[in-house]
Amino acid sequence: AQSVTQLDSHVSVSEGTPVLLRCNYSSSYSPSLFWYVQHPNKGLQLLLKYTSAATLVKGINGFEAEFKKSETSFHLTKPSAHMSDAAEYFCVVSLYNFNKFYFGSGTKLNVKP
Amino acid sequence: DTGVSQDPRHKITKRGQNVTFRCDPISEHNRLYWYRQTLGQGPEFLTYFQNEAQLEKSRLLSDRFSAERPKGSFSTLEIQRTEQGDSAMYLCASSLIRGGSGNTIYFGEGSWLTVV
Repeated sequence: AQSVTQLDSHVSVSEGTPVLLRCNYSSSYSPSLFWYVQHPNKGLQLLLKYTSAATLVKGINGFEAEFKKSETSFHLTKPSAHMSDAAEYFCVVSLYNFNKFYFGSGTKLNVKP
Repeated sequence: DTGVSQDPRHKITKRGQNVTFRCDPISEHNRLYWYRQTLGQGPEFLTYFQNEAQLEKSRLLSDRFSAERPKGSFSTLEIQRTEQGDSAMYLCASSLIRGGSGNTIYFGEGSWLTVV
């Protein structure tokens, strides 16, 4: 069985400070992992993906994530938050054959001026 | 724009009416997915197509729901006899599956349904 747990439903940071959004997964197979961002009333935009290549993955807008198999984690980070980063972030896991994508419950990121 | 497009973006309907949503995937993408997202939740899988074949349906997809992809290009999702619990955003996504290589799904902007 596959599942994704996003450990924080809300994260609040000040502009210019680091961002950490946590994600743990469980999978019986080698997973592919993704982070998507959703701005209010919008669809989902891919930030980055891990598909068994480098364990440190760089994405758009300065985000990156590190795949840690021993910890079954795929946390999303950014060195310096920007006001435009305020949105909801979803961690997603998929099986090798990409039949389905399993979403976490989301983390709402608030960025304070 | 070559992204996934969905129509209509918003639909308000009375309970008991039928509604249909359309999704146009990225050109040449062979796989198409439908997800449902309710307020405060992550998207939930409904169904997916490989070309024109519907390969899997979630138990969330009751018999009031039907999805088609007749020519392996655009897809429709129809909800019959809508209920208030159907109010949600319906997301379409597509991807290109090639062998065993890593793939990404690309989402549309979603179709919001409000049943009153």
